[in-house]
Amino acid sequence: DSGVTQTPKHLITATGQRVTLRCSPRSGDLSVYWYQQSLDQGLQFLIQYYNGEERAKGNILERFSAQQFPDLHSELNLSSLELGDSALYFCASSWGQGIRDTEAFFGQGTRLTVV
Amino acid sequence: GENVEQHPSTLSVQEGDSAVIKCTYSDSASNYFPWYKQELGKRPQLIIDIRSNVGEKKDQRIAVTLNKTAKHFSLHITETQPEDSAVYFCAASRSFNKFYFGSGTKLNVKP
Repeated sequence: DSGVTQTPKHLITATGQRVTLRCSPRSGDLSVYWYQQSLDQGLQFLIQYYNGEERAKGNILERFSAQQFPDLHSELNLSSLELGDSALYFCASSWGQGIRDTEAFFGQGTRLTVV
Repeated sequence: GENVEQHPSTLSVQEGDSAVIKCTYSDSASNYFPWYKQELGKRPQLIIDIRSNVGEKKDQRIAVTLNKTAKHFSLHITETQPEDSAVYFCAASRSFNKFYFGSGTKLNVKP
């Protein structure tokens, strides 16, 4: 167990709908990353938050948004869903200060299926 | 931004042989290079990492080498075992921000 918790584990929804994925980072970690992994694909970086603020943005669609709350948990909101959004969405966390060596720990992922 | 390329995309070796996976990166400011192993249906897990001030690091059967000048780093697995079969991802990061991952290598170790 990495200490990073993602809910729900599975999600099936229809095209055009909106869903929210939740991530609780490891205790003490300030940085949260979101990744999308499509079938047989690599890990595509979406966005990073550090202590409540957006720190870095990757290939995140405008239909997607995220936030990190004061308790450091994070939510990834996916709207106007399309079939191509079906993927495994991973959250990872790290201490994230940049001056201390820490790895990124991954959660178990949320498998989103859009039908 | 950073661009990480990983090769090969698939690798099949006989049990006991060595496996080598190579990655290149584009951002010379990247200073942290972790390797993750992802078993089928599971989350990626860190197996080894290397920082830019080190050229090589070893942990039992796995080792990583880094060539900062050429901007490439490699994962070496010796005496491979069937349980090493998985997808391996390399990544590059600048000061632990925005980890950029390679496209992954599917390693198959044949018994």
